[in-house]
Amino acid sequence: KAGVTQTPRYLIKTRGQQVTLSCSPISGHRSVSWYQQTPGQGLQFLFEYFSETQRNKGNFPGRFSGRQFSNSRSEMNVSTLELGDSALYLCASSSIATGYTEAFFGQGTRLTVV
Amino acid sequence: GIQVEQSPPDLILQEGANSTLRCNFSDSVNNLQWFHQNPWGQLINLFYIPSGTKQNGRLSATTVATERYSLLYISSSQTTDSGVYFCAVVLQGGSEKLVFGKGTKLTVNP
Repeated sequence: KAGVTQTPRYLIKTRGQQVTLSCSPISGHRSVSWYQQTPGQGLQFLFEYFSETQRNKGNFPGRFSGRQFSNSRSEMNVSTLELGDSALYLCASSSIATGYTEAFFGQGTRLTVV
Repeated sequence: GIQVEQSPPDLILQEGANSTLRCNFSDSVNNLQWFHQNPWGQLINLFYIPSGTKQNGRLSATTVATERYSLLYISSSQTTDSGVYFCAVVLQGGSEKLVFGKGTKLTVNP
């Protein structure tokens, strides 16, 4: 069974640009969550999607958005990139709600904003 | 919000030594997981353990939900055990997100 797949693995973008990251969950999993990891703030929750609906959102500005498709694949978008958006972005999938079952993470996308 | 505290923040061991990592949390939880972050950044699942005790090879974990803590035991440590270990919880009755501790950085020297 394939694991959680995130693409691309690495990205370098310029301030002011926008970026789209992709996450394909484990087959059969319907919940996809996104997390940002930085040295200063640690691992922080961005948002969670379940059956194409955003169910929870973390404390991030509106420049961070996401969506989920009917096949459960998810994308997150960051517009007007800032230097502080440089981070490792991790996607997690779970079969049902995160609170009641095990979550599995992808390898992450390392975003560098210059 | 829920607080998750991990201790110690840093741990240096000689190969073959045993260690105990601790995770304290401030509220009742539905979900508790332990992860090992590899050098490439991926979070590797170690245990899904909202309560009770589990063992997997040289690793074992215990969660005492009523006392709001979990322990991860590593026995006969190997250099490949090096990395950062995270505890993450989901608050009972709250939004369904994993709240992570700051991690324990383990270094195992040969």
